[in-house]
Amino acid sequence: GAGVSQSPRYKVAKRGQDVALRCDPISGHVSLFWYQQALGQGPEFLTYFQNEAQLDKSGLPSDRFFAERPEGSVSTLKIQRTQQEDSAVYLCASRGMGTSNTEAFFGQGTRLTVV
Amino acid sequence: GESVGLHLPTLSVQEGDNSIINCAYSNSASDYFIWYKQESGKGPQFIIDIRSNMDKRQGQRVTVLLNKTVKHLSLQIAATQPGDSAVYFCAENAGGTSYGKLTFGQGTILTVHP
Repeated sequence: GAGVSQSPRYKVAKRGQDVALRCDPISGHVSLFWYQQALGQGPEFLTYFQNEAQLDKSGLPSDRFFAERPEGSVSTLKIQRTQQEDSAVYLCASRGMGTSNTEAFFGQGTRLTVV
Repeated sequence: GESVGLHLPTLSVQEGDNSIINCAYSNSASDYFIWYKQESGKGPQFIIDIRSNMDKRQGQRVTVLLNKTVKHLSLQIAATQPGDSAVYFCAENAGGTSYGKLTFGQGTILTVHP
């Protein structure tokens, strides 16, 4: 596709349920980032992949959060035993190669509501 | 810790006016800065970036100024239009092994009145 695609757009989960959020980055983009955006706040970094390698997961808030990108393309962010504080918009971004390339392209996000 | 923050959470202007959105940062190691526009229900959209070795960069109707002495960043929008109404975020990249990892500020809500 032409841009970063995320699915589903909206997800309502009951507390304790597991969820999986999908990101299709721009074709050929090596770098992939996940961010969490709480209502009224700026996005906060969760994790970073370069191809299939997860190079930075310092932003993941707990061991209930897990991300993977097994073939270096599509990525999945999984949240186990969801809690109300997990309610947020989860944004995926991808970026092409090279340090001269600064622009990260964001998807529309998945709005997760835990009830 | 290091952070990026905004002075003004809201800005209201008339159509045709120039808008200035400000941002303070604290990480002197950041090598580039980006301004993003986010409309309701959408992801952040890249507006313009500036590297730390520059102090000014111009785009179409937008100018970004970087003052490293006082660690201040601003976005100027010329002839603001109603379509410019959105939340604007500044973000910085500290480089390192996670190149492209961005730290975002809180955001400024820009409202343009016709």
